[in-house]
Amino acid sequence: KQEVTQIPAALSVPEGENLVLNCSFTDSAIYNLQWFRQDPGKGLTSLLLIQSSQREQTSGRLNASLDKSSGRSTLYIAASQPGDSATYLCAVNLGRDDKIIFGKGTRLHILP
Amino acid sequence: EAQVTQNPRYLITVTGKKLTVTCSQNMNHEYMSWYRQDPGLGLRQIYYSMNVEVTDKGDVPEGYKVSRKEKRNFPLILESPSPNQTSLYFCASSPLQVYGANVLTFGAGSRLTVL
Repeated sequence: KQEVTQIPAALSVPEGENLVLNCSFTDSAIYNLQWFRQDPGKGLTSLLLIQSSQREQTSGRLNASLDKSSGRSTLYIAASQPGDSATYLCAVNLGRDDKIIFGKGTRLHILP
Repeated sequence: EAQVTQNPRYLITVTGKKLTVTCSQNMNHEYMSWYRQDPGLGLRQIYYSMNVEVTDKGDVPEGYKVSRKEKRNFPLILESPSPNQTSLYFCASSPLQVYGANVLTFGAGSRLTVL
């Protein structure tokens, strides 16, 4: 059974620092992996999607990498800003009927 | 604007009183799905649909029903709500694409409280 784990559950860093969020999954047979951002009480916003054949995707200050063989993905945030404070979730698509498994998220707080 | 719209956004109801949470998307997406989000448990899939008249159970389907009579709508029905269905519910949709680039778009969420 596929399990998705995000560690740490919460993280606080000073503004301006570069940081890495981690996501691990137990079954490497995935279709794609998606990173989301969720603000308190709000829905999820898709940040980056990495297809199983890709190694990384970039959007602005965000870079997501995927290593299927080790069951890991990272989300790199450069030059963090207070507006980056949110919960970040990763989700893997198993490909079978588009079943998607979410991690529980990392709650990020950027200190001004 | 491309979006997934859920209604109601907030609802307080009592045990046993049937309710429906509507979900509508204007992006002509084939795939639609319902999730519930609970503290410590994360997002769990309730039901999903690959296209019109095609629905399947997710991880926590008990106590819920869905229908997909039209491509744009995917309502979530609670026939006899119970307090353990108090949760934050999200609807999401995506296109079905061959190469795995099916980005999920989420609604804003519906916070349901069952007394």
